[in-house]
Amino acid sequence: AQSVSQHNHHVILSEAASLELGCNYSYGGTVNLFWYVQYPGQHLQLLLKYFSGDPLVKGIKGFEAEFIKSKFSFNLRKPSVQWSDTAEYFCAVMANTGGFKTIFGAGTRLFVKA
Amino acid sequence: EPEVTQTPSHQVTQMGQEVILRCVPISNHLYFYWYRQILGQKVEFLVSFYNNEISEKSEIFDDQFSVERPDGSNFTLKIRSTKLEDSAMYFCASSEASRGLNEKLFFGSGTQLSVL
Repeated sequence: AQSVSQHNHHVILSEAASLELGCNYSYGGTVNLFWYVQYPGQHLQLLLKYFSGDPLVKGIKGFEAEFIKSKFSFNLRKPSVQWSDTAEYFCAVMANTGGFKTIFGAGTRLFVKA
Repeated sequence: EPEVTQTPSHQVTQMGQEVILRCVPISNHLYFYWYRQILGQKVEFLVSFYNNEISEKSEIFDDQFSVERPDGSNFTLKIRSTKLEDSAMYFCASSEASRGLNEKLFFGSGTQLSVL
């Protein structure tokens, strides 16, 4: 069965610091990879996704992620965070198990100090 | 942008009671899902639904849970006899999924279920 692990549960950064959130998954077959974000009091929403092609994908608000197949990783990065990036970030994997089930990681809470 | 809507936003119930959580997926979407998030824990997959039947379900989705699409717009999750550990935020989601794996999920704002 597939699983997703996120390395950090809580991250605290100052504005303008660089961000990297780790994500590793386990599944032997074809997967699509996602990062979702949940701002305080709001829905889960898609930040970026990878399904094929260039392993470096760019998403909204200056976020990017790199798929490294050999490491089963899909780390999220942003060169300079802002206070408004304070949110919880979820890595997710969708595998072809027949029902398009998406498995989420435990989430990383990011707090950006102004 | 079109939205997935969920009602109610907060449901309080007594242990052993039945609850029905309601969702209106985005109108042209074909796949529907329920997820839940117990406070402080990860978002967990419960069930996916396509073409009027369950496509996949997790081990959490036992006999006390059921889903239904009673008409062309609503998608419901029923919990027959609630337990304390069912207290969680329940998210409905939908996706187009017309071309395979690369469809993103659109989530509703969730229903906070509190079982007393």
